[in-house]
Amino acid sequence: QKEVEQNSGPLSVPEGAIASLNCTYSDRGSQSFFWYRQYSGKSPELIMFIYSNGDKEDGRFTAQLNKASQYVSLLIRDSQPSDSATYLCAVNLDTGRRALTFGSGTRLQVQP
Amino acid sequence: KAGVTQTPRYLIKTRGQQVTLSCSPISGHRSVSWYQQTPGQGLQFLFEYFSETQRNKGNFPGRFSGRQFSNSRSEMNVSTLELGDSALYLCASSPSGGSQYNEQFFGPGTRLTVL
Repeated sequence: QKEVEQNSGPLSVPEGAIASLNCTYSDRGSQSFFWYRQYSGKSPELIMFIYSNGDKEDGRFTAQLNKASQYVSLLIRDSQPSDSATYLCAVNLDTGRRALTFGSGTRLQVQP
Repeated sequence: KAGVTQTPRYLIKTRGQQVTLSCSPISGHRSVSWYQQTPGQGLQFLFEYFSETQRNKGNFPGRFSGRQFSNSRSEMNVSTLELGDSALYLCASSPSGGSQYNEQFFGPGTRLTVL
């Protein structure tokens, strides 16, 4: 079983819709959770992080964490074609150390 | 604030050679982590340095090594290159401090091709 699992996609949504990206993780001791966006040929860009159960909103992005279900998600409201990228979920077991475990990423396509 | 910088951006080497990659973190950041990204294995953690000490290490062979200098700049070295070492090598910088400073910011990466 992979430590961090994501549906590889592609996830296709029309412009203006809500895109929902999901991630599950296997280690119950995981402490912090991150979403990165990676455009083709570029490096990952941090877009959201969440440490506590519940929702965290930042502009059009909302991260949701449910530690009991070992589940973290990213919602993108009013999706734009510029949001088309691969979204990587990353998990850190120990906040004292910077060793992220990444999922394989979900490719999002926003259709104009 | 300037972001994470990595040099060189592209490298071509042949099997058996060695290579050194360099990373300068965001000003004020003291933690530098290195990752390897390949199409088959995705993003994998190599090691982390903090205050010139290796604090954590991933599951890579000893051919992969690194160091950090007193100004927080870091280098990683790969000896006896193999074809499978072809990858994008990413450096990530993170502030020091408590758990709320856990976020990592990636540099542009070094694309290594081994022929």
